[in-house]
Amino acid sequence: ETGVTQSPTHLIKTRGQQVTLRCSSQSGHNTVSWYQQALGQGPQFIFQYYREEENGRGNFPPRFSGLQFPNYSSELNVNALELDDSALYLCAISGQGISYEQYFGPGTRLTVT
Amino acid sequence: AQTVTQSQPEMSVQEAETVTLSCTYDTSESDYYLFWYKQPPSRQMILVIRQEAYKQQNATENRFSVNFQKAAKSFSLKISDSQLGDAAMYFCAYRSGIYNQGGKLIFGQGTELSVKP
Repeated sequence: ETGVTQSPTHLIKTRGQQVTLRCSSQSGHNTVSWYQQALGQGPQFIFQYYREEENGRGNFPPRFSGLQFPNYSSELNVNALELDDSALYLCAISGQGISYEQYFGPGTRLTVT
Repeated sequence: AQTVTQSQPEMSVQEAETVTLSCTYDTSESDYYLFWYKQPPSRQMILVIRQEAYKQQNATENRFSVNFQKAAKSFSLKISDSQLGDAAMYFCAYRSGIYNQGGKLIFGQGTELSVKP
């Protein structure tokens, strides 16, 4: 049990809409990473936040954006949803530093119709 | 760019037997970390074992051990005394040891492990 929670568990949106996914933990780890996992694939890195600043980004368009709050909880926002955005979205928390492990939440299943 | 490849989409093992999952990776870096994660149907990604590239000794965690071959860029996972609860999707992952690369994990495509009673 990692103590990482994500909400909602799953949701269905229509193409062109916007969505906000949330991630929080009880542990106060200061780094959060977001991943997109398409069905049958490994997770793909979207971006990472450290102390409320973006600290690395994968190959995702600007319509994927994020926030990290002073309590280290985080949001992933996706604008202008496309069918290919249908996936499991995972957040992972860690301390800052190379040696720190990443602990994952249970994910949010997003379906875009 | 770094890549991680898992060439076995599915594997099967008899309960109490031993199974080995394969992973190869490509990188030009000398300092990095390798991981095996387990993802059961509950979707929660669970860290199984990690290996630092600078360590020659293979990592071991109870029934899980790795065979790390740095020159061959190979990182296999051995599960001994397989249990029904080991059934899951297993992902091999790479993380750069360069600090300004952040904590980005690069995952393979996964291997679906089934355990037969």
